[in-house]
Amino acid sequence: SAVISQKPSRDICQRGTSLTIQCQVDSQVTMMFWYRQQPGQSLTLIATANQGSEATYESGFVIDKFPISRPNLTFSTLTVSNMSPEDSSIYLCSVELSGRSSYEQYFGPGTRLTVT
Amino acid sequence: AQSVTQLDSQVPVFEEAPVELRCNYSSSVSVYLFWYVQYPNQGLQLLLKYLSGSTLVESINGFEAEFNKSQTSFHLRKPSVHISDTAEYFCAVKGRGYGQNFVFGPGTRLSVLP
Repeated sequence: SAVISQKPSRDICQRGTSLTIQCQVDSQVTMMFWYRQQPGQSLTLIATANQGSEATYESGFVIDKFPISRPNLTFSTLTVSNMSPEDSSIYLCSVELSGRSSYEQYFGPGTRLTVT
Repeated sequence: AQSVTQLDSQVPVFEEAPVELRCNYSSSVSVYLFWYVQYPNQGLQLLLKYLSGSTLVESINGFEAEFNKSQTSFHLRKPSVHISDTAEYFCAVKGRGYGQNFVFGPGTRLSVLP
C-alpha cells in the first residue's frame, strides 16, 4: 500500500490568483495522477505525472492552467492558475502500484479549494 | 475507451437492511474492476477489486461484489448495513494493458438510516 499526504487540506482563494498543491508519497512510485472532483460529482482525471517526463494531460485540461511538477519519485505538485469560481473543487492526487496483487490506485485525502 | 454507469445516485436504506449498489460498464477491452468508498470529507479508499479468478470478491467489512461478464456488471452488495456505511461509493474500471487509465462512475450516495 501507499500513504499519501496533501497540502494544503483546504484553502479559500480569490479569483485570478494561483494555488500550488503538494502531494507526498511514503514510497517511490512511478505513476502519479491528479484528479478533480467537482461538488457532487465523480472524479475526472486531469493529468498523469511520471517522473522524468512531461505530464500527460487529459482532454479539456492544459498545462498553462494546471502546471505539474514531478521532481522525484515521492513528490508532485499541481498548480491551479488564474483561478475562477469554476475551479472550486476537491483536487486529489493518487498513485498506482503495479505488481502481482495490485493495479490499485491509492488516493490522498484531497485539497478542498474554494474560489471566491 | 471505457465508461461506467451507476444508475442510482442516492440509495437510502434502514440500518440492518440489505443493500445493492449497481454498476455497469462498457469497454472494448478486458478490464479490472474496483469499488472505492469515500467517507465524508475524506479521500477515496479501495473497498474491493476484481482482477481475475473467482467472480465473487469480498471486502473485510462485509461487502461483496460479483463480476458478471455477460451483463458487464459489478454490483456491490451487503446483507446488513450499519450507520457507519454511510458514504459515497464509486465503481471504477481500468482497461488491461499498458497505459490504461482508471475511469470512475458518477458515484452512489448510500445513506443508512437508524
